[in-house]
Parts: sequence; C-alpha cells; structure tokens
Amino acid sequence: GENVEQHPSTLSVQEGDSAVIKCTYSDSASNYFPWYKQELGKRPQLIIDIRSNVGEKKDQRIAVTLNKTAKHFSLHITETQPEDSAVYFCAALLLSNDYKLSFGAGTTVTVRA
Amino acid sequence: GAVVSQHPSWVICKSGTSVKIECRSLDFQATTMFWYRQFPKQSLMLMATSNEGSKATYEQGVEKDKFLINHASLTLSTLTVTSAHPEDSSFYICSARDLRGSSYNEQFFGPGTRLTVL
Repeated sequence: GENVEQHPSTLSVQEGDSAVIKCTYSDSASNYFPWYKQELGKRPQLIIDIRSNVGEKKDQRIAVTLNKTAKHFSLHITETQPEDSAVYFCAALLLSNDYKLSFGAGTTVTVRA
Repeated sequence: GAVVSQHPSWVICKSGTSVKIECRSLDFQATTMFWYRQFPKQSLMLMATSNEGSKATYEQGVEKDKFLINHASLTLSTLTVTSAHPEDSSFYICSARDLRGSSYNEQFFGPGTRLTVL
C-alpha cells in the first residue's frame, strides 16, 4: 500500500516568516495529494490539494508543489500568522485503492508572535 | 455543501459496554464512508471503508467483530464499538466522498467523536 512520510514533526516559526512542510510517497500511481489543518479536538480541514497533472497550486498565502518524478510534495505557508498554529497533515490517494487516503504523521506548527 | 455530521460528539462509557457512533452526509449522497481512529498526538489511522449496501472493508489489524460498521443508506453509516475497553478510548472520525462534480477525490470529514472508556 501507499506509505507517506512527513517532515518535520514540529516546526516553530516567527510570525511573518514562511513555513515549509515536506512529504514523500511511495506509490507512483497516487494522483491526489491533499493537505489538512487540524486544530485540537477538531476535524481535519482541507486547506489545499493538488492533482498529479499539476506541478504547483497556490491559494493566497498557501501553496503546494508536487514533484512526481521524485515522489514528493510540499506545503508552503508564507507570512505566517498566529492562527496558522495547528497540526498539518499531508495525504496521498491512490485511485485503485478504493480512494483510500494515506496520511503522513503530521507536523505541529507553532507561530511565535 | 458537502457537510458531514457525527453523533455523539463525545461519549463516556463503562468498560464492557457498547457504543454506537453515527456519521451522516447532510447534503449529498455518500456511497462510500471511511472510519478513522486518532490517538493523541498521532495521525489519522484508517479503520475501515464503509460501502452502502455491502459489507465494510477493514484495514489490517482492525477487528471486524469489535468494530461493527453498518452503512444502511446513502447518507448514514454507523460504527459500533462492542465491549469497549479503556484502550479503545480515542477520537473517532468519519469521512465521506461526494461523487458529484470535480470534488470526487475529496473526502469530507465529520467533526469527530471523543470516546472515553472508564
């Protein structure tokens, strides 16, 4: 099955700086890569996603890049704000695997004011 | 659109009792729902895939007789934790796929159910 690795496990940044989280996946057939933000005790919220036919996608301060050859994708948050503090999960979906999402281990992001 | 609800949001039960958690898609039909378990400071672990009108597919290591899943309609899936024990205490989250439009890959998550077994 799909194996998703996520780094770093924790990330502390100064407000206004950028945060970058990286993930790698094992199955080259995976074709959908969402990123979720989860606050304590809450549901994961989709913040951005990218499909395998696209190399980069941006939504305001958030961007995701995908390198299919290297099988890795990254989340970039610019101009971080205290409300960006949360746990972020990457995931990969393999269509042939009944649309199951495989999640990374998560990154706890702390934005220092 | 694409709202998923869960009930209850939290439950405390005694060891040995059974607990039922409901997952509903409120504004779309979900032929497939997923059940996850999340322990503190850990990632979401898929427990099973629930398909409307058929038996659920369980992930390796998940006891199907302990975690009973029923997907009787296109908008409702239930997870019953039978003979719950303290080690079953966790955050249980469901998700559902909306096959309409361009979001067919996206999973919409419920708000989760915090289960505490005493």
